[in-house]
Amino acid sequence: AQSVTQPDIHITVSEGASLELRCNYSYGATPYLFWYVQSPGQGLQLLLKYFSGDTLVQGIKGFEAEFKRSQSSFNLRKPSVHWSDAAEYFCAVDVFMDTGRRALTFGSGTRLQVQP
Amino acid sequence: GAVVSQHPSRVICKSGTSVKIECRSLDFQATTMFWYRQFPKQSLMLMATSNEGSKATYEQGVEKDKFLINHASLTLSTLTVTSAHPEDSSFYICSASVDPMMNEQYFGPGTRLTVT
Repeated sequence: AQSVTQPDIHITVSEGASLELRCNYSYGATPYLFWYVQSPGQGLQLLLKYFSGDTLVQGIKGFEAEFKRSQSSFNLRKPSVHWSDAAEYFCAVDVFMDTGRRALTFGSGTRLQVQP
Repeated sequence: GAVVSQHPSRVICKSGTSVKIECRSLDFQATTMFWYRQFPKQSLMLMATSNEGSKATYEQGVEKDKFLINHASLTLSTLTVTSAHPEDSSFYICSASVDPMMNEQYFGPGTRLTVT
């Protein structure tokens, strides 16, 4: 079955430090890939997406992600973290469900804390 | 662009009553809307996919008679939790698909339902 794995439940980084959040997927073909960010009690905001083409995609708020087919990964990166980046981050994959319909499957999320 | 609103943002109701949650796409037409449920500190679970003018498609394990979904127009979908019980307390999030071919979804801010 298709799945999305975010191996890090919780990450703490210092403000100004670099960040990498990991995401691995299990899917037969190359899916469409997304990263979302969720602040407490809020909905999800789309950070970036990969459909095809250049494997390094740029998103909002200075985030980028790199699709690596050989590793089935789509890791999110930011060179310098700001305190406002503290939030929950979800990787998502667009897949075909058993019902034949398309849907987003989300990873379990990574909670980012930023230390001053 | 691609703004999705939800109303109410927070609702408290008594056991046995019904609650309606609205999801609106404010600046685009959404032929497909999705309803998710999120438990504390967990990821999003897709409940159902709502297509304008047709019956919603529910995921396995979601009671369609309990969670009534209506998608009467291209900008509005509603989720009604009927005969609510405390175990229905959760964070409900809707999303609307901007591009059905890419399944790019934009999310509402969520509705916190508490059943007493």
